[in-house]
Amino acid sequence: DQQVKQNSPSLSVQEGRISILNCDYTNSMFDYFLWYKKYPAEGPTFLISISSIKDKNEDGRFTVFLNKSAKHLSLHIVPSQPGDSAVYFCAAESMYSGGGADGLTFGKGTHLIIQP
Amino acid sequence: GAVVSQHPSWVICKSGTSVKIECRSLDFQATTMFWYRQFPKQSLMLMATSNEGSKATYEQGVEKDKFLINHASLTLSTLTVTSAHPEDSSFYICSIKQDNYGYTFGSGTRLTVV
Repeated sequence: DQQVKQNSPSLSVQEGRISILNCDYTNSMFDYFLWYKKYPAEGPTFLISISSIKDKNEDGRFTVFLNKSAKHLSLHIVPSQPGDSAVYFCAAESMYSGGGADGLTFGKGTHLIIQP
Repeated sequence: GAVVSQHPSWVICKSGTSVKIECRSLDFQATTMFWYRQFPKQSLMLMATSNEGSKATYEQGVEKDKFLINHASLTLSTLTVTSAHPEDSSFYICSIKQDNYGYTFGSGTRLTVV
């Protein structure tokens, strides 16, 4: 039973355009969400996060939107650059709900391909 | 944030042998470390939480006798895959968590059991 879902295994976007990666979750206890970028044979690299008390967080070209009622979050990358090509993982945890240091629950990832 | 060093980055072993993977936290004393496993085209799945000086906490469905975790110091946790079989072939990743920096991951270990 996947608690964090990324339904698009891959996404192709033209350089300079906006990339939108989507993520849905089912566990209402999740209150902190993170996006990671991963290259093959490497560990994930943190990109951006958002707490459940917010609906938007922005950091440079990366913006994460959270819709709690829909249990949906999205990562926007604009403008997309060739170096953004990687697998992006959505992750969640129950940080403020008494979860403590319980580790992250990850989605399956979306392979973003930026075309020149 | 701290750097997490994982070793080896890849290993090939024969079926039935044991393999040890090391995870070191540089510049940070980690009382807790996390071990994940990723199968091809799958998500990273939390296997266990390693606790310094005490027993690890395993996720449901993870055999603690097969995946031995030792967290003997604040900077080192090891995962030993005992009596490895081809189905144990996977990408194993460790991570730490720091209050101000969140989770930092190691570079991962690709295990292939032949």
